[in-house]
Amino acid sequence: GAGVSQSPRYKVAKRGQDVALRCDPISGHVSLFWYQQALGQGPEFLTYFQNEAQLDKSGLPSDRFFAERPEGSVSTLKIQRTQQEDSAVYLCASSLVGAEQFFGPGTRLTVL
Amino acid sequence: GENVEQHPSTLSVQEGDSAVIKCTYSDSASNYFPWYKQELGKGPQLIIDIRSNVGEKKDQRIAVTLNKTAKHFSLHITETQPEDSAVYFCAASEVTGGGNKLTFGTGTQLKVEL
Repeated sequence: GAGVSQSPRYKVAKRGQDVALRCDPISGHVSLFWYQQALGQGPEFLTYFQNEAQLDKSGLPSDRFFAERPEGSVSTLKIQRTQQEDSAVYLCASSLVGAEQFFGPGTRLTVL
Repeated sequence: GENVEQHPSTLSVQEGDSAVIKCTYSDSASNYFPWYKQELGKGPQLIIDIRSNVGEKKDQRIAVTLNKTAKHFSLHITETQPEDSAVYFCAASEVTGGGNKLTFGTGTQLKVEL
C-alpha cells in the first residue's frame, strides 16, 4: 500500500521567503509527527497531531514555524521568513496512536 | 527531557561479521525503543523495536536487547551483508495516549566491506 508521501522533495528558498511543506500520511493513521533532521544528525521532534488537534508543539524552534492539519489527514508545515539555520531535511511520520511511526522520504530545504 | 546517546558513530565490518550498536537513555519513563535504518536520500525505516516489558527481541539476523536498570539498549546484526550498509538510529519514547514523540540518537554509519 501507499506509504507516507511528502512534497516537494527539494526546496530552495532565498533568505526571508516563506515556504510550505506538505505531508500525506498513511490512510487511517490518526497520529502525525514532524521532525527536523540537520546534516549528519538524528531527527529532532517538532510537533505532533492527533487527528486535527495539535497536541504538542514543544519542538518548534521559533514562532516562524507553524503547522496545521485542518481535516485530520494532510498536514502542512510552514516556515515564515526563512533563515539559513532552517536548512535541513523535514521529515513527516504517521502512526496509529501509540504504535510504530512510518516516515516519509523528507523534504530537503536549502535556504540561500 | 529525554537524552539518547549512541555509539559508535562509525562502524566498519567485514561481510559475514556481526555488528553491535549501543545506546543509552536518560528518562526512566521511556518504554518504547525503536531502531531505524536510513539510506542516503530516504526517510528512516523501522527495522525492529522493543518495549520495556521484554528484555530481548529477535527478527532473523537482527536482535535488540534492553537493560532497563542500566538504561541501555543495543542492536545486534549478525551475518552482515553489503546491503546492511546505512546509517542506523536508535530512539526512545514514552508511549502515552497522547502520542509518542521519539528522541533519536546521533546515528551510526555502518559500512559492510566485501
